[in-house]
Amino acid sequence: NAGVMQNPRHLVRRRGQEARLRCSPMKGHSHVYWYRQLPEEGLKFMVYLQKENIIDESGMPKERFSAEFPKEGPSILRIQQVVRGDSAAYFCASSPGDSGGYTFGSGTRLTVV
Amino acid sequence: QKEVEQDPGPLSVPEGAIVSLNCTYSNSAFQYFMWYRQYSRKGPELLMYTYSSGNKEDGRFTAQVDKSSKYISLFIRDSQPSDSATYLCAMSGDTDKLIFGTGTRLQVFP
Repeated sequence: NAGVMQNPRHLVRRRGQEARLRCSPMKGHSHVYWYRQLPEEGLKFMVYLQKENIIDESGMPKERFSAEFPKEGPSILRIQQVVRGDSAAYFCASSPGDSGGYTFGSGTRLTVV
Repeated sequence: QKEVEQDPGPLSVPEGAIVSLNCTYSNSAFQYFMWYRQYSRKGPELLMYTYSSGNKEDGRFTAQVDKSSKYISLFIRDSQPSDSATYLCAMSGDTDKLIFGTGTRLQVFP
């Protein structure tokens, strides 16, 4: 079992460009969560998805950010027109749907220059 | 006031010491409580998971939840240098959304 796979591990974007972060959940897991971690801060919830459905996006900024989890393929977190304040580590987690805690991936570290 | 408060540390202890890590919270709806360990530049790793109040032990780790005081603890016995990491508490209520503390940095020196 390869665990939760995130790519790329590091992503550098210039201000105004788009960032696409990918997450493949653990085998058998149908629930995906995205969290953001700023330096010296804890993880902040962004969005919770199941296949083809957004369940809870209460932590997503209202503009420029979107997420999807298509029927086939990985979950994608998309940030349009990135700004310096988007620089952070973005973590994806998955679960089978029972309340047993998540499994996190190793994260994508986004740097906006 | 944050929903979950956690002392950021750093906490520095000698090898073999007993470590106590704590979080307090304000939302009485929380009923699932977790501790994650995060090494530098890595993703969080689930250490302990507890439902409602009580104690849970797993090897050198013991998790305690006191819902009446809104206080959770993680104890590490016989601490090792390999335990040096950031420890994050997390909790949730009737949704799957986890609320994390800011993490406590622990350093165990030989």
